[in-house]
Amino acid sequence: DQQVKQNSPSLSVQEGRISILNCDYTNSMFDYFLWYKKYPAEGPTFLISISSIKDKNEDGRFTVFLNKSAKHLSLHIVPSQPGDSAVYFCAASAAGGTSYGKLTFGQGTILTVHP
Amino acid sequence: EADIYQTPRYLVIGTGKKITLECSQTMGHDKMYWYQQDPGMELHLIHYSYGVNSTEKGDLSSESTVSRIRTEHFPLTLESARPSHTSQYLCASSEANQVRTTNEKLFFGSGTQLSVL
Repeated sequence: DQQVKQNSPSLSVQEGRISILNCDYTNSMFDYFLWYKKYPAEGPTFLISISSIKDKNEDGRFTVFLNKSAKHLSLHIVPSQPGDSAVYFCAASAAGGTSYGKLTFGQGTILTVHP
Repeated sequence: EADIYQTPRYLVIGTGKKITLECSQTMGHDKMYWYQQDPGMELHLIHYSYGVNSTEKGDLSSESTVSRIRTEHFPLTLESARPSHTSQYLCASSEANQVRTTNEKLFFGSGTQLSVL
């Protein structure tokens, strides 16, 4: 039972345009969400996060939006740059119980930004 | 930003060999984790530790074992490697303490790509 889903395996965008990566979750106990960027044969690098008490968080070119009622979050990259080409993972964690502090990851979306 | 190191980066080994994947962090983090990832798939938690002498199994069953004798060191061992163990193994640590905070982001090492022939 996959609790975090990224339904788009890949996304191709022109340089300078907006990239929108989507993520859906099913566990209503999740209260903290993160996006990671990963290059092949490297470890994931933290990008941006959002707490469930917020619906938007911005950091430079990256903005994460959270829609709790729809159990959906998205990552917007504006403007997209060729160096943004990587695999993007959505992750979530839940407070309390045995899930404390552990992250549940989606399958990842491969973003390709064309010059 | 994060000082977490994994060795080796790549390992090709024959079936039946015993291997240990090393993971060290210099940030003094109490929480450490091992994730396993195959291409195109999500990262799966296989082990975690909340401090010295604390180890727990993760969500994905794994034949590997871990130990946490020192805060900075969290090695993973496979007693007898098999081709099904071929995967990327990612070690991570978190700065959050036992009191829940919102700052639960994990710092990852560069990973070990394991190939068992």
